[in-house]
Formats: sequence, C-alpha cells, structure tokens
Amino acid sequence: KAGVTQTPRYLIKTRGQQVTLSCSPISGHRSVSWYQQTPGQGLQFLFEYFSETQRNKGNFPGRFSGRQFSNSRSEMNVSTLELGDSALYLCASSLDIYEQYFGPGTRLTVT
Amino acid sequence: DQQVKQNSPSLSVQEGRISILNCDYTNSMFDYFLWYKKYPAEGPTFLISISSIKDKNEDGRFTVFLNKSAKHLSLHIVPSQPGDSAVYFCAAKNSGNQFYFGTGTSLTVIP
Repeated sequence: KAGVTQTPRYLIKTRGQQVTLSCSPISGHRSVSWYQQTPGQGLQFLFEYFSETQRNKGNFPGRFSGRQFSNSRSEMNVSTLELGDSALYLCASSLDIYEQYFGPGTRLTVT
Repeated sequence: DQQVKQNSPSLSVQEGRISILNCDYTNSMFDYFLWYKKYPAEGPTFLISISSIKDKNEDGRFTVFLNKSAKHLSLHIVPSQPGDSAVYFCAAKNSGNQFYFGTGTSLTVIP
C-alpha cells in the first residue's frame, strides 16, 4: 500500500508570496492533518480535514488555510509568507483518530 | 504554550543497554498518548501508544509507562540497537481529537 505523499518536497519562496502544498493520503484514509515542524517548537497542529470538512483547527493565523477534495487529497495554502513560516510542513492521514501516518514533509524556506 | 514537553533534546546510550526517553504534559484531560520515531528526511512513524486508563503498554523491545498523577510519560527501549538512533516525539490527544507533540529527543545508540 502506498504511503502518504507530499509535493513538492522542497520549496523556496520570497516574503509576501503565497504557497500551496499538496498531500495525498493513504488509500482509504479520509482524515488528513497538517503540522508545522520547527526546531524550537516541535510539531504544531495546523488543522484536520475529514470528508472535505475542516474538523479541527490549531492556533495559527488565518493566513494558513486548507482544503480537502472528494478523493481525500488535501492542500494547504499559506498567504503573505513571513520569514517565520520557514519550516517543515508534515501531512498525516489516518483511518481512525488514534494512529496517524505521516508523509516525508515539504521543506519551505522563506527568504 | 507547550502542553507536551521533552526536556532532554538528546540522549546517548550504549548498544544493548536500556534507553529511557521522558515526556511531561500539563493537560490532565489528555486521553491518549503516543510515541513516534523520526529518521532524517522522513516523516514520523508511529511506534507505540497508551490510553489514559492504562499505566503500561508493551510491544517487543518498546514499553511505554504512564504516570497520570505526575503527568509523566516514558518510553523504554530494551535492548537498544544502533537502528534505534532517531528523533523520538511524544504526543498527546485531547477529547477534541487534537494532537500535541513534544519537541523531540534525539537518541544515539553507540555500537
């Protein structure tokens, strides 16, 4: 069974630009969660989508948004990028709420 | 506010000995706890979990202990192997199904 895939793997953007990251979950998984990982903060929860609906949201500004499509693929968008948005963005899919399967992440660098 | 804390950023252990990774949390309403392992350039992979109604869960070389009164979680790896060298994250789930992760402990097992 194919794992969680994330594209692109690496991205360099300039302050003020916007970016869209993509996540394809494991086949059959309807829940997709997004996390931001930075060295000092660990993994911080952004939001979770289930059957195209945002079910949970972390404590991030409105510049961070997401959506999920009918095939469970999910996208995350960050508008008006700031230097502090540089991080590894991880996507995780799950069949039930207890065990999440993570993708390799997208490394975003904002210059 | 970091609700899940891993106060040791790194740990070195000799091969064959026990590795003990620690995690503290502040929210007594967490109902499920997990440990993840992360290799460089890969997403975290699920290792072991424990419900808040239990105090111990074992899976092969890995045992997780939960001390609810101390709000403390630990992962024991016995015996430690060089392949166990990775970053370990503890995570906790609340009743709203949001996950909170620690900042990680980098384990090095010395052959």
